[in-house]
Amino acid sequence: QLVLTQSPSASASLGASVKLTCTLSSGHSSYAIAWHQQQPEKGPRYLMKLNSDGSHSKGDGIPDRFSGSSSGAERYLTISSLQSEDEADYYCQTWGTGIHAVFGGGTQLTVL
Amino acid sequence: QVQLQESGPGLVKPSETLSLTCAVSGYSISSGYYWGWIRQPPGKGLEWIGSIYHSGSTYYNPSLKSRVTISVDTSKNQFSLKLSSVTAADTAVYYCARTRYSYGMYYFDYWGQGTLVTVSS
Repeated sequence: QLVLTQSPSASASLGASVKLTCTLSSGHSSYAIAWHQQQPEKGPRYLMKLNSDGSHSKGDGIPDRFSGSSSGAERYLTISSLQSEDEADYYCQTWGTGIHAVFGGGTQLTVL
Repeated sequence: QVQLQESGPGLVKPSETLSLTCAVSGYSISSGYYWGWIRQPPGKGLEWIGSIYHSGSTYYNPSLKSRVTISVDTSKNQFSLKLSSVTAADTAVYYCARTRYSYGMYYFDYWGQGTLVTVSS
């Protein structure tokens, strides 16, 4: 079964960097994912599509501070030079045969 | 710039049908892509409902398939969602989004701002 697992919460200091993780379930380590950001009281915003080889394509206007990488079944979102507006929920999403679109449970990022 | 805007009743009675429309601007639905609906119950995560191509081809979440109908109106550049036999568990913010395909994967690259639908008598 295709499942995406995310830690419920993360925190980092203003100006620092943070690395969020999305883990693909067993047997699905070659899958690409997409990262989406949801700021408080707003709709989600597409950040990037991240392939298993670490290559990624960002959405319109996404700053260079946001980057993606991959290792095995893990997909990472790194945010550098954290700003207050980065405080948000971050969701990973993929697509599988039959079940189609799948979302992770989301990580709530707090900027200290 | 692609923009999506959801509209529809904010309150629906139990057992009735929820109906929402998503108006698209900045891009012609007829030009391609799938167009989808995603929902988010209060305080919870995202759940995909289904997506439709301009030709009418659809994908639905298997867990909702029996109650969902998504349709497209290319003349109005909009697409719609109908969810039947609603219960309180269907209370959520409903988002529409463009569904893009790249190298074996569909993902959502433009989102609407969402509309809250409450199911209550």
